[in-house]
Amino acid sequence: AQTVTQSQPEMSVQEAETVTLSCTYDTSENNYYLFWYKQPPSRQMILVIRQEAYKQQNATENRFSVNFQKAAKSFSLKISDSQLGDTAMYFCASMNRDDKIIFGKGTRLHILP
Amino acid sequence: NAGVTQTPKFQVLKTGQSMTLQCAQDMNHEYMSWYRQDPGMGLRLIHYSVGAGITDQGEVPNGYNVSRSTTEDFPLRLLSAAPSQTSVYFCASSYGRRGDSPLHFGNGTRLTVT
Repeated sequence: AQTVTQSQPEMSVQEAETVTLSCTYDTSENNYYLFWYKQPPSRQMILVIRQEAYKQQNATENRFSVNFQKAAKSFSLKISDSQLGDTAMYFCASMNRDDKIIFGKGTRLHILP
Repeated sequence: NAGVTQTPKFQVLKTGQSMTLQCAQDMNHEYMSWYRQDPGMGLRLIHYSVGAGITDQGEVPNGYNVSRSTTEDFPLRLLSAAPSQTSVYFCASSYGRRGDSPLHFGNGTRLTVT
């Protein structure tokens, strides 16, 4: 079964600090895709970053980067130089060959001024 | 481009009533899906479709029906609403079959069943 687990329901960090959000997943497939989505208070879902499982290099998008550990089935998101606008719910998600995209329960991140 | 359009934005139903949540996309996306979002539960997949005429069940399909007669539209039907279906519903679409195609989400429908 395809599952995604986010073990941190809520986190708070000071502005400009670095924060890491954890995500583990379970899949029986060798090739799949992983995503982090952000949901600010506006409720709009925004793609933050994506990773293809067969690519060993960790994906980066400006201040956002991932630590992809395929053997451990871990896909954490690092936010550097955090900003007030990063305050949001963050969801980890996985997609297998059957095209189903399954989300974790989310981590609510507060960036404190 | 309008992207993914969901209607209505808000809806209140009484137990036992039926209704259809509408979802339309103008990006010629093959893949469309419905999620429900509940506090502490994240987004759970209800049904999805990889193309016109093809639908499949997600994680929580019971109580919901879908059809995909055109590429653009993917309505979600509640046959007999129950309080447990009170939630925020999101429709999403993508080119599918390609992991580099991100999901585009609608703005959501807040449904309350009393």
